[in-house]
Amino acid sequence: EIVLTQSPGTLSLSPGERATLSCRASQSVVSSYLTWYQQKPGQAPRLLIYGASSRATGIPDRFSGSGSGTDFTLTINRLEPEDFAVYYCQQYGSSFTFGPGTKVDIK
Amino acid sequence: QVQLQESGPGLVKPSETLSLTCTVSGDSISNSYWSWIRQPPGKGLEWIGYFYHSGITKYNPSLESRVTISGDTSKNQFSLKVTSVTAADTALYYCARGPRWLQGYDFDIWGQGTMVTVSS
Repeated sequence: EIVLTQSPGTLSLSPGERATLSCRASQSVVSSYLTWYQQKPGQAPRLLIYGASSRATGIPDRFSGSGSGTDFTLTINRLEPEDFAVYYCQQYGSSFTFGPGTKVDIK
Repeated sequence: QVQLQESGPGLVKPSETLSLTCTVSGDSISNSYWSWIRQPPGKGLEWIGYFYHSGITKYNPSLESRVTISGDTSKNQFSLKVTSVTAADTALYYCARGPRWLQGYDFDIWGQGTMVTVSS
């Protein structure tokens, strides 16, 4: 099973700043199979990025994904108040696994 | 607009069977794959398994011996059963559309989730 590690655990930033979130896999992941979700308190996860770098429908272009192999990054440019949330990466190898999440909170 | 709604008992006794149903509106369950995903309180996400209307299923290896996912196309619903539950099965259970094999092997639409507590 591929294990995903996300860092940092918590990222404290101010609105307008850039957030850089890391997702590292224990084995190489096919880029097409790396996904990012956003989850706000009391809500279901929301699909943000699929195929490592493709934005889902309705996702603002301040969200971008990159990476390959075992290292993937989610970047949020110019944080908006509604972006403070927990972000999960997810992969498919022979099964589906999620990372433990990165919380982006207001500094 | 595709919507998913989970339903089922919020409290299950240890050793008994957890049963949940997901009702889908705005899409036919015959068109896609459908999954269950859970989230223990304060923790991360765990994929439980998926179902396709042709009868294809796949489960998380860690849960495979206790899980069954099935569907009812006449009701446009799919269901989850987890047998022999323990406190470790206490979680918020989500149903979701996916995996989307032609896109990102991801889950694009989620229900709001239903909390299930295992306790005597």
